[in-house]
Amino acid sequence: AQKITQTQPGMFVQEKEAVTLDCTYDTSDPSYGLFWYKQPSSGEMIFLIYQGSYDQQNATEGRYSLNFQKARKSANLVISASQLGDSAMYFCAMRDITSGTYKYIFGTGTRLKVLA
Amino acid sequence: DAMVIQNPRYQVTQFGKPVTLSCSQTLNHNVMYWYQQKSSQAPKLLFHYYDKDFNNEADTPDNFQSRRPNTSFCFLDIRSPGLGDAAMYLCATSRERTGGAGANVLTFGAGSRLTVL
Repeated sequence: AQKITQTQPGMFVQEKEAVTLDCTYDTSDPSYGLFWYKQPSSGEMIFLIYQGSYDQQNATEGRYSLNFQKARKSANLVISASQLGDSAMYFCAMRDITSGTYKYIFGTGTRLKVLA
Repeated sequence: DAMVIQNPRYQVTQFGKPVTLSCSQTLNHNVMYWYQQKSSQAPKLLFHYYDKDFNNEADTPDNFQSRRPNTSFCFLDIRSPGLGDAAMYLCATSRERTGGAGANVLTFGAGSRLTVL
């Protein structure tokens, strides 16, 4: 069965510094996708970055990068040069591809607070 | 802009009074999902449609029903809301192809926040 674990309920980071949000996962499917979403207090889930299980390179999108360590089953999100607007909940999510179930599961999230 | 629209954004209902939440999309995505998210918790999948095929999660209470009359619209009906059903309800869509090689990004609406009095 799929499982996503985010062990950091809350994190603080100083403005302009980098921060790493942890995510580990478990699946028996050899092909899967990993996602990170940001959820501001308004409630909307905003897609940040995607990593496929067979991608050789770590994904990057602007200030976001995904530190993908397949053997350790981890997919940590790195936010560089933090901004006040980065304060939000961050969710790691996964979808098995081979199983064809089209189901995405989410971790419990990490609340990030950026300090001025 | 193509998007996912949820209505209403805020819904207050009384215990046991039926509620319908709506979701519409202009993305022409073939899969639509309903998630329930309680405060400070992960979104929990209630059900999803692949085209017209309905897929219910095993632990979704019978109190929750869904309809998808066409590609663009999907409804969540809560027949007899209880206090425990107070939550944010998130609609999401994705474009999927049978046997597709990739996992596609979920696009979410802004959510409908349900309060049960």
